[in-house]
Amino acid sequence: KAGVTQTPRYLIKTRGQQVTLSCSPISGHRSVSWYQQTPGQGLQFLFEYFSETQRNKGNFPGRFSGRQFSNSRSEMNVSTLELGDSALYLCASSRTYRDNEGYTFGSGTRLTVV
Amino acid sequence: GNSVTQMEGPVTLSEEAFLTINCTYTATGYPSLFWYVQYPGEGLQLLLKATKADDKGSNKGFEATYRKETTSFHLEKGSVQVSDSAVYFCALYSGAGSYQLTFGKGTKLSVIP
Repeated sequence: KAGVTQTPRYLIKTRGQQVTLSCSPISGHRSVSWYQQTPGQGLQFLFEYFSETQRNKGNFPGRFSGRQFSNSRSEMNVSTLELGDSALYLCASSRTYRDNEGYTFGSGTRLTVV
Repeated sequence: GNSVTQMEGPVTLSEEAFLTINCTYTATGYPSLFWYVQYPGEGLQLLLKATKADDKGSNKGFEATYRKETTSFHLEKGSVQVSDSAVYFCALYSGAGSYQLTFGKGTKLSVIP
């Protein structure tokens, strides 16, 4: 079965712009989480969506937002981009909310802000 | 809060050597524990997991045992291959309040022929 699909794989944006990243979870998975990976901070949790509602949020500024659609696909938006937003953004899906059986990750979107 | 501490890398081993990557954790409640692997240019792949104390997770020759008394989940493999070269992340998921994966900083493993 298809895995978690993230698009695009690579993005280059200019400071001040905004960007939208997309994630399609594994079929049947209803929860989608987003993580940011940087060399300095490692892997940090952004937020989790389930049934089109944000259920949990990490310690990121309001410039980072997301949403989930009725088909469980999710988008993440970053407004007013800063150089420090350059990172690998990873999406993960699981069957349900608060699933302690593990999350399946996509290949990520590599965002570079110049 | 929750935290995961992994041994610092990088780790360089010869093919067929024994591998141990140490992982200890601090968490409220009874977390589930995971090892994820990341190959260059890729996302994270779930390698193995254990959801309760004394469980042993295993996959592709890798093993880790959930030790509640020492709050540890060390990754081991008896004979590494060049194809095992990657970054390994220990992680926990705790239902006691945080409901998110907490990761260690990762350990880069290089296996040389």
